[in-house]
Amino acid sequence: EPEVTQTPSHQVTQMGQEVILRCVPISNHLYFYWYRQILGQKVEFLVSFYNNEISEKSEIFDDQFSVERPDGSNFTLKIRSTKLEDSAMYFCASSELQSNIQYFGAGTRLSVL
Amino acid sequence: QKEVEQNSGPLSVPEGAIASLNCTYSDRVSQSFFWYRQYSGKSPELIMSIYSNGDKEDGRFTAQLNKASQYVSLLIRDSQPSDSATYLCAVNMPLRTSGTYKYIFGTGTRLKVLA
Repeated sequence: EPEVTQTPSHQVTQMGQEVILRCVPISNHLYFYWYRQILGQKVEFLVSFYNNEISEKSEIFDDQFSVERPDGSNFTLKIRSTKLEDSAMYFCASSELQSNIQYFGAGTRLSVL
Repeated sequence: QKEVEQNSGPLSVPEGAIASLNCTYSDRVSQSFFWYRQYSGKSPELIMSIYSNGDKEDGRFTAQLNKASQYVSLLIRDSQPSDSATYLCAVNMPLRTSGTYKYIFGTGTRLKVLA
């Protein structure tokens, strides 16, 4: 069964460093999303991406965040200068055209020290 | 702020019983509703989707939607210890520009099925 894959599963970084979280969406999906979940809190929408541009972003998605689809398969989330409060699980999701069921990857646990 | 509300639990039920999980939402624009199961430290896994008023059954799971009252529920029949997890209610929110949706999640209800 097709699935969304995310790497790495766990990323440890020092405050102020840049991190790139990687995702490979399901191959025939055209809409891509990033969500995050701080430990013990709800899953929160960060950004959606379609046709090589951001469709919508939340208030959380400030200037330190960026997304990119560098090739035909990868979808990345970059955090330029990490803060302690960026520590969370980051989930990538994708959905088909005309379908709004989103399928989630296994997540990347980001730990900022 | 568009909200999705769930009782955080834990909801404890004995093995074999029916577990009933509830969710209310505030935005009447929402048309699609989802239940995800999340084991600790894992990603959300889609259990059910429901779009129309009424009941939708899939195996041991039944989703119920009442748009007039703005609530959606999930019933789990013959609950098993392996059903112990957090159940997330997600409501779609149409995005203006792309024609797709973002999910608004509830905080989740932690279910414990006691053997």
